[in-house]
Amino acid sequence: GNSVTQMEGPVTLSEEAFLTINCTYTATGYPSLFWYVQYPGEGLQLLLKATKADDKGSNKGFEATYRKETTSFHLEKGSVQVSDSAVYFCALSDPLRTGTASKLTFGTGTRLQVTL
Amino acid sequence: DAGVIQSPRHEVTEMGQEVTLRCKPISGHNSLFWYRQTMMRGLELLIYFNNNVPIDDSGMPEDRFSAKMPNASFSTLKIQPSEPRDSAVYFCASSPRTGTYGYTFGSGTRLTVV
Repeated sequence: GNSVTQMEGPVTLSEEAFLTINCTYTATGYPSLFWYVQYPGEGLQLLLKATKADDKGSNKGFEATYRKETTSFHLEKGSVQVSDSAVYFCALSDPLRTGTASKLTFGTGTRLQVTL
Repeated sequence: DAGVIQSPRHEVTEMGQEVTLRCKPISGHNSLFWYRQTMMRGLELLIYFNNNVPIDDSGMPEDRFSAKMPNASFSTLKIQPSEPRDSAVYFCASSPRTGTYGYTFGSGTRLTVV
């Protein structure tokens, strides 16, 4: 079945440091890939997505590139801020269902803590 | 658009009581999902609906849990009787019909069963 593996957290960085959160996946076919962010006390928000190989999703300074050859979708940001402190979830859509909304498979989440 | 609306935001109840959580999806979204989030288990899919029809309820923990979607704009998740181990944050999410969109999540209901 489909699965998503994220690096264990928490990840603690100083402000302006470079961020990488690793995500690899297992799926049949060609899934779409997503990163969600969850701020304390809130629901998950879509951060970025990529729907085919070599696509780069980007938003708010975050980027991730869909790498089919390595089945990866690593999240990066060049300079993190304290306000980026949150839990980040990698997810993939079930590529087998057509005509209906896809079922998303989520990773376990990676907590990012950014300090001054 | 107001987004996915969940109510209540917080619920504290005594063990054995019935609890009903409510969700209003985004207008035009044909799919609705109920998730539970705990520190121990992370994010778990409980059930999801397409066009108001339950498609997969394999994540519902046991018969004490039930979910309904009587129309396109409303869904409920009911726990009867509630137990302390049901304490969690319950999220509702909705999605348009076609497959490459992600979900829009509600703000969640934090349930505490004492």
